[in-house]
Amino acid sequence: DGGITQSPKYLFRKEGQNVTLSCEQNLNHDAMYWYRQDPGQGLRLIYYSQIVNDFQKGDIAEGYSVSREKKESFPLTVTSAQKNPTAFYLCASRTAGQGNIQYFGAGTRLSVL
Amino acid sequence: AQSVTQPDIHITVSEGASLELRCNYSYGATPYLFWYVQSPGQGLQLLLKYFSGDTLVQGIKGFEAEFKRSQSSFNLRKPSVHWSDAAEYFCALSGGSNYKLTFGKGTLLTVNP
Repeated sequence: DGGITQSPKYLFRKEGQNVTLSCEQNLNHDAMYWYRQDPGQGLRLIYYSQIVNDFQKGDIAEGYSVSREKKESFPLTVTSAQKNPTAFYLCASRTAGQGNIQYFGAGTRLSVL
Repeated sequence: AQSVTQPDIHITVSEGASLELRCNYSYGATPYLFWYVQSPGQGLQLLLKYFSGDTLVQGIKGFEAEFKRSQSSFNLRKPSVHWSDAAEYFCALSGGSNYKLTFGKGTLLTVNP
């Protein structure tokens, strides 16, 4: 089955710790996105990548970092500089053409211990 | 700048009743518009999309939406709601060269038996 896999489903971070959220897709999509979801806030864009080895900041990039070494993978690191990391994180990838639809993974819930 | 407004935070309907969820957008050109649905703790599933052409679009699960350029709206409708439709619904707009999605803050739908 083609799709987007996010892992882990739940993640806990200690103070001062960096944590990495995994996002893998086998849809052969060039573009990938990371969103943060907070209750009542909708989804906000953290980072996006339209091609391997290139990525851009979204609306709330501070305290986060990404890499895009492979087409299939777009990991997100939540650094210790992100002072309020508790949220639901969603990864998406986008079709090319046909309206450029974004498809989403099942999400990772990050909490602070 | 692009923006999406969902005026209703929470809507309650009875099973079998009709449903309309409101979405208004702001964008300088003709946007790509989407409705997504999210069950608790899950990712987003695409219900339907509008790119161009026929302003009434059909989606999955019996949903439809109508694009009204004069009102900058893209309201979601369903003639008869089922208990399984209870979820959070997000309207989103895609524009610009990066095709990033701008989301509304969501409408939570409760269905009474």
